[in-house]
Amino acid sequence: DSGVTQTPKHLITATGQRVTLRCSPRSGDLSVYWYQQSLDQGLQFLIQYYNGEERAKGNILERFSAQQFPDLHSELNLSSLELGDSALYFCASSALGTSGETQYFGPGTRLLVL
Amino acid sequence: GENVEQHPSTLSVQEGDSAVIKCTYSDSASNYFPWYKQELGKGPQLIIDIRSNVGEKKDQRIAVTLNKTAKHFSLHITETQPEDSAVYFCAASFNSGGYQKVTFGIGTKLQVIP
Repeated sequence: DSGVTQTPKHLITATGQRVTLRCSPRSGDLSVYWYQQSLDQGLQFLIQYYNGEERAKGNILERFSAQQFPDLHSELNLSSLELGDSALYFCASSALGTSGETQYFGPGTRLLVL
Repeated sequence: GENVEQHPSTLSVQEGDSAVIKCTYSDSASNYFPWYKQELGKGPQLIIDIRSNVGEKKDQRIAVTLNKTAKHFSLHITETQPEDSAVYFCAASFNSGGYQKVTFGIGTKLQVIP
């Protein structure tokens, strides 16, 4: 158990809909990362937050957004969903978000868009 | 940006044999190289890491080597066991504007045959 929690575990929805994925980092970690994992793409970095502020953006679509709240939990919002958004979404956390820190991954949310 | 290539994509070995997974990276600024193991239905879990000032690191049956000049690093698992069966990801990381930029390889599915 990494100490990172994610809800829900599974999510099935329809195209065009909007969903919110939730992540709670390990106790004491200030930085949260979101990744998308699909079969043919591996782990793709989406976005990073540090202590409530956006720190870095990766391959995140404009239809996706995220935020980190004062209690340090984070939410990833996916809107106008398409079939191709079906994937595993992982949240990871680290202490300060700097290089050389271990990222601890949550169990993931499996999203299926029908 | 950083590009991490990982091979092989699949690897089958007999129990007790060794397994080697190789990765190359493109950005010489990368200075931290973690390896993650992902079991079915779970998030990636760090198994070993190496920093750019070290050439080799070992932890029981697992070892990682780094050749900075050639920009490649490898994971070695000796005396493989069925529970080593999983997907393994390499990653390369460096500090960029105060945050950790991590790029993952595509993953290697390791199957250990009893």
